[in-house]
Amino acid sequence: GDSVTQMEGPVTLSEEAFLTINCTYTATGYPSLFWYVQYPGEGLQLLLKATKADDKGSNKGFEATYRKETTSFHLEKGSVQVSDSAVYFCAPPYSGGYQKVTFGTGTKLQVIP
Amino acid sequence: SQTIHQWPATLVQPVGSPLSLECTVEGTSNPNLYWYRQAAGRGLQLLFYSVGIGQISSEVPQNLSASRPQDRQFILSSKKLLLSDSGFYLCAWNSGRTDTQYFGPGTRLTVL
Repeated sequence: GDSVTQMEGPVTLSEEAFLTINCTYTATGYPSLFWYVQYPGEGLQLLLKATKADDKGSNKGFEATYRKETTSFHLEKGSVQVSDSAVYFCAPPYSGGYQKVTFGTGTKLQVIP
Repeated sequence: SQTIHQWPATLVQPVGSPLSLECTVEGTSNPNLYWYRQAAGRGLQLLFYSVGIGQISSEVPQNLSASRPQDRQFILSSKKLLLSDSGFYLCAWNSGRTDTQYFGPGTRLTVL
């Protein structure tokens, strides 16, 4: 089955800094990855989905790029804002039956003004 | 459009008391339903999932149970809460036709 290793946090950045969060997984199938975001006190919501080698998913200024040589997806944003402070989870497609998703451990991002 | 509701939003319960958390989904039929727990500063732990009415699969042994009495209703229960049951409980659904999960707003449970 697939295993997921996500970059540990917390990550603290100043506003307008560059963000990169790594997620590595050993895919038994076609490589694709979801990134979810959890704002304080809320549930998770889908941020973006990246599929295929060199095919970036993008949303709200975030991009995810797949690196075939390291089987890793990098979530990036060129200029973070305070409102981006949240926990970011990566998740490959289904692992196991019945669409069970294995989430990464989450990376907490704190953006300071 | 589809929506997912959870209640209560917050709950404070004494050790040994019972628990009932409810999750309902609107705007879809025959969803796959999931209960997750997120302990403070930790990742997501899948507790239960259900692919249909009355069908429950447990992922981890614990003193919690789940039921699905109706197609779009998922309930998480306990007869006697433990301190370690404290956490943020998230319900999620999936259509079974795509691999995106949609999460509810969560219930913050504190066991004292």
